[in-house]
Amino acid sequence: NAGVTQTPKFQVLKTGQSMTLQCAQDMNHEYMSWYRQDPGMGLRLIHYSVGAGITDQGEVPNGYNVSRSTTEDFPLRLLSAAPSQTSVYFCASSFRQGGSEAFFGQGTRLTVV
Amino acid sequence: DQQVKQNSPSLSVQEGRISILNCDYTNSMFDYFLWYKKYPAEGPTFLISISSIKDKNEDGRFTVFLNKSAKHLSLHIVPSQPGDSAVYFCAAHLTGANSKLTFGKGITLSVRP
Repeated sequence: NAGVTQTPKFQVLKTGQSMTLQCAQDMNHEYMSWYRQDPGMGLRLIHYSVGAGITDQGEVPNGYNVSRSTTEDFPLRLLSAAPSQTSVYFCASSFRQGGSEAFFGQGTRLTVV
Repeated sequence: DQQVKQNSPSLSVQEGRISILNCDYTNSMFDYFLWYKKYPAEGPTFLISISSIKDKNEDGRFTVFLNKSAKHLSLHIVPSQPGDSAVYFCAAHLTGANSKLTFGKGITLSVRP
């Protein structure tokens, strides 16, 4: 039972490069989201999706794009990486919104130099 | 403006004693509150939740108390074990068109053997 799978686990980018962080879940969850974790800042919501074809911005969306073409996949795109995007990124999914627990991936540690 | 606040960044307790982790919130419209536990280099995992219509929820060694009038919740761990040493995030859910989870900054719990 894979749950939520994120790739890659580690990535180093140069400023200005673009890349896509992959996230896939096999639990048929409708709700998926991306967070970033920075020291002393907790988990901050970047983008989320309530179902295939529907996405919305979270608290810190600038510099990131998302799409949700299938229920299973929710990739996060960095269009032009900046050092301020150095962070640990977590993808999460849940059966529904509300009190339903969210399942998190293992995280992607991204460094932008 | 931070809507979910975990004002104490760290807590250290002796094995076998009680751990009390606190969380305050500002938005009275939050309808669910959740606690997540995170070990280093892993994604957060769901621990326990409570609906805003309840004042207590218990699951084994973990109990969450909600005081709506004070906009305060707490997580009690009894008895504390060394394996409980982790970062604990409080999260609050807001129902509606923009339904999403808002996380606190986290508390690092250390349980001394």
